[in-house]
Amino acid sequence: AQTVTQSQPEMSVQEAETVTLSCTYDTSESDYYLFWYKQPPSRQMILVIRQEAYKQQNATENRFSVNFQKAAKSFSLKISDSQLGDAAMYFCAYALAQGGSEKLVFGKGTKLTVNP
Amino acid sequence: ETGVTQSPTHLIKTRGQQVTLRCSSQSGHNTVSWYQQALGQGPQFIFQYYREEENGRGNFPPRFSGLQFPNYSSELNVNALELDDSALYLCASSAGSREGDTQYFGPGTRLTVL
Repeated sequence: AQTVTQSQPEMSVQEAETVTLSCTYDTSESDYYLFWYKQPPSRQMILVIRQEAYKQQNATENRFSVNFQKAAKSFSLKISDSQLGDAAMYFCAYALAQGGSEKLVFGKGTKLTVNP
Repeated sequence: ETGVTQSPTHLIKTRGQQVTLRCSSQSGHNTVSWYQQALGQGPQFIFQYYREEENGRGNFPPRFSGLQFPNYSSELNVNALELDDSALYLCASSAGSREGDTQYFGPGTRLTVL
């Protein structure tokens, strides 16, 4: 069974600084997808970024970027120029490629605090 | 474009009762997935519906059941509630048209079992 591990229960960063959240996963498959979701206190999960395992290039979305190391099964999220609104729980998730309608396997999350 | 909505927002039940949670998928989406998120944990996959058929199930007992309707909205039913069923229940919809489709989540239903 696939598993996702987030080893940092909590992280903090100063506003405007950069922070990296770690994620490792375990799978024997070669074709899959990885995601970072953000869950603010409002509870709604919001997609931050997604990565296709077959792509070598690391995904980037504005201030958010990932470092995808397929051989090491590592998928970290870097947040640049941190803003107060970035404060939330961040979940790393894995989905096996199954031709559509994949099911997500989540880690336990990292709580990010942004200090003014 | 309307996002994923869920009702009710909060619910309190007692042990042994039955509960129905509802989810309206995003416009154009035919796939709905349900997740249970216990306090301090990541969401766990319960099951998924694709065009009104169950399309995969996680490690949850049969007292967790679901439905998807022709308009692709969905229900999650839980019978014989237990204290451990207290959690945030999240619904997510996706287009179901290609691999790695992004799942868009609703705001969740907070269920408390006393």
